[in-house]
Amino acid sequence: EAGVTQFPSHSVIEKGQTVTLRCDPISGHDNLYWYRRVMGKEIKFLLHFVKESKQDESGMPNNRFLAERTGGTYSTLKVQPAELEDSGVYFCASSQELQQAFFGQGTRLTVV
Amino acid sequence: AQSVTQLDSQVPVFEEAPVELRCNYSSSVSVYLFWYVQYPNQGLQLLLKYLSGSTLVKGINGFEAEFNKSQTSFHLRKPSVHISDTAEYFCAVSVGGYQKVTFGTGTKLQVIP
Repeated sequence: EAGVTQFPSHSVIEKGQTVTLRCDPISGHDNLYWYRRVMGKEIKFLLHFVKESKQDESGMPNNRFLAERTGGTYSTLKVQPAELEDSGVYFCASSQELQQAFFGQGTRLTVV
Repeated sequence: AQSVTQLDSQVPVFEEAPVELRCNYSSSVSVYLFWYVQYPNQGLQLLLKYLSGSTLVKGINGFEAEFNKSQTSFHLRKPSVHISDTAEYFCAVSVGGYQKVTFGTGTKLQVIP
């Protein structure tokens, strides 16, 4: 069974540009989570989807971040326009109801 | 709101020696506790979890942790480490199972040959 897959693994963009991160959850997992780790700090929750609906987006830092999960399958996280402080590792995780969450390898985003 | 403190950012230890990675948490309600591990160039992997029941929890790769409610701690231990245990370890807490987990800042375990 394939695990949680994230694309790209690395992205380097200039300040002001747009970047879209993608997460493919484990097939059949209704719950999908995005987390972010800024350099040297803790991993922070961004948001939680249940199928295509946003269950909790209390961790989204500001309106430059837009997450979608069309059709309840894969999810995208768009940052527009990117700022220097958006640099970090973005993790995606998925789970079945009340079950263990499985994490992807993360996308390392560097904004220069 | 809950929080997690991992006081040790790096822990060097010789191979086959025991290790303890410390974790303290703060919460006004009952919590679930987790330890995750991130090996180089890999994603986060669940090492063990405490949801309820016995306070001594055994996980994968010979690790175990003990939930101490009075000291609000959930320290991770292994009696004898291997080179392959070199990784970053994250303590985490949640109030709703696997949803909206709060992580600590991580502890890098370096096993020295």
